[in-house]
Amino acid sequence: EPEVTQTPSHQVTQMGQEVILRCVPISNHLYFYWYRQILGQKVEFLVSFYNNEISEKSEIFDDQFSVERPDGSNFTLKIRSTKLEDSAMYFCASSEGTGVEAFFGQGTRLTVV
Amino acid sequence: GQSLEQPSEVTAVEGAIVQINCTYQTSGFYGLSWYQQHDGGAPTFLSYNALDGLEETGRFSSFLSRSDSYGYLLLQELQMKDSASYFCAVRGGNTGGFKTIFGAGTRLFVKA
Repeated sequence: EPEVTQTPSHQVTQMGQEVILRCVPISNHLYFYWYRQILGQKVEFLVSFYNNEISEKSEIFDDQFSVERPDGSNFTLKIRSTKLEDSAMYFCASSEGTGVEAFFGQGTRLTVV
Repeated sequence: GQSLEQPSEVTAVEGAIVQINCTYQTSGFYGLSWYQQHDGGAPTFLSYNALDGLEETGRFSSFLSRSDSYGYLLLQELQMKDSASYFCAVRGGNTGGFKTIFGAGTRLFVKA
């Protein structure tokens, strides 16, 4: 069964460092998303991406964040200068369309120290 | 903006039926989804309602009333493995429904 894969599963970084979280969406999907979930809290929307551009972004997705689809398979989230409060589980998701099931990856746990 | 409200916790016994309600406020409503998340796992899709009415998928059903900005997830014949968090999520936004906002989640405890 096709799945969304994310790497790494866990990343520890020092405050102020840049991190890149990687995702390989399901191959025939056209819509890509990043969400984050602080431990014990709800899943929060960060950004959606379609046709090689950002479709929507939340207030959380400020200038420190960027997304890229560098090739036909990868979808990345970059945090330019990490803060302690960026520590969370980051989920990538993809879907065939906007009104259908979104498939989530297993997440990258980011710990900023 | 968008916001959702759902109960924080529900407890039920194995074999019973439980309903998890969700009310929402959004601009540009496109649909309401339900996701299940076990501890330490990723959200997994359960159902999606774009139109009013009931959608049934096995033991799970989901209902939507757009005029009331309300939906619910119904879980029947509860099993221990159904113990998890359940999130309603509204698809909205101003540019074609690309933004899906999740509620805070309802933690379901299934007791023997």
